[in-house]
Amino acid sequence: DTGVSQNPRHKITKRGQNVTFRCDPISEHNRLYWYRQTLGQGPEFLTYFQNEAQLEKSRLLSDRFSAERPKGSFSTLEIQRTEQGDSAMYLCASSFSGEKNTIYFGEGSWLTVV
Amino acid sequence: GNSVTQMEGPVTLSEEAFLTINCTYTATGYPSLFWYVQYPGEGLQLLLKATKADDKGSNKGFEATYRKETTSFHLEKGSVQVSDSAVYFCALRDNYGQNFVFGPGTRLSVLP
Repeated sequence: DTGVSQNPRHKITKRGQNVTFRCDPISEHNRLYWYRQTLGQGPEFLTYFQNEAQLEKSRLLSDRFSAERPKGSFSTLEIQRTEQGDSAMYLCASSFSGEKNTIYFGEGSWLTVV
Repeated sequence: GNSVTQMEGPVTLSEEAFLTINCTYTATGYPSLFWYVQYPGEGLQLLLKATKADDKGSNKGFEATYRKETTSFHLEKGSVQVSDSAVYFCALRDNYGQNFVFGPGTRLSVLP
């Protein structure tokens, strides 16, 4: 399978704990995106990398959220001191700058904060 | 700012019925337009796209035409199947930024 891979697929955590999600993009893709999706809503943009550089961050990305892509390949999204409002599906997507306009999503990581 | 509006769901149809899901957008310039589909428990899959006015995107029997004059990108299918049951998202990407703006999604249920 050469699609975008995310893990874990599901995570249940207690409020106040830290969680980390990992995304492995399609191998030749240099752009990587993180989105958040809550029930009944469309995905909301969080942040975007081109290679290892984080080029854009949404105001939704509070200081408890941090994303990295240290070698321009996989990425991690960490949420510190989780709150119940962080419960959502976190979607990763990737694209290749030579393929204009199309991004490919992973299956998402569900987070439930109890 | 950019935004996407979709018809509210859920939409319930019988198999072989005609489907229309309305989508309108607000954006500066000439965005690219997309329909993504999300099956239960899965991520979003690209269904079709159109990158300029009057382009028609099509895939798996679904079609949508980029209408600049009405700022619309309505999704249509002539004969739906039970396997088309999913949530459909209209989205745009402008020519200046890298991120996509999604509509809230429309849930489609097709009954046998």
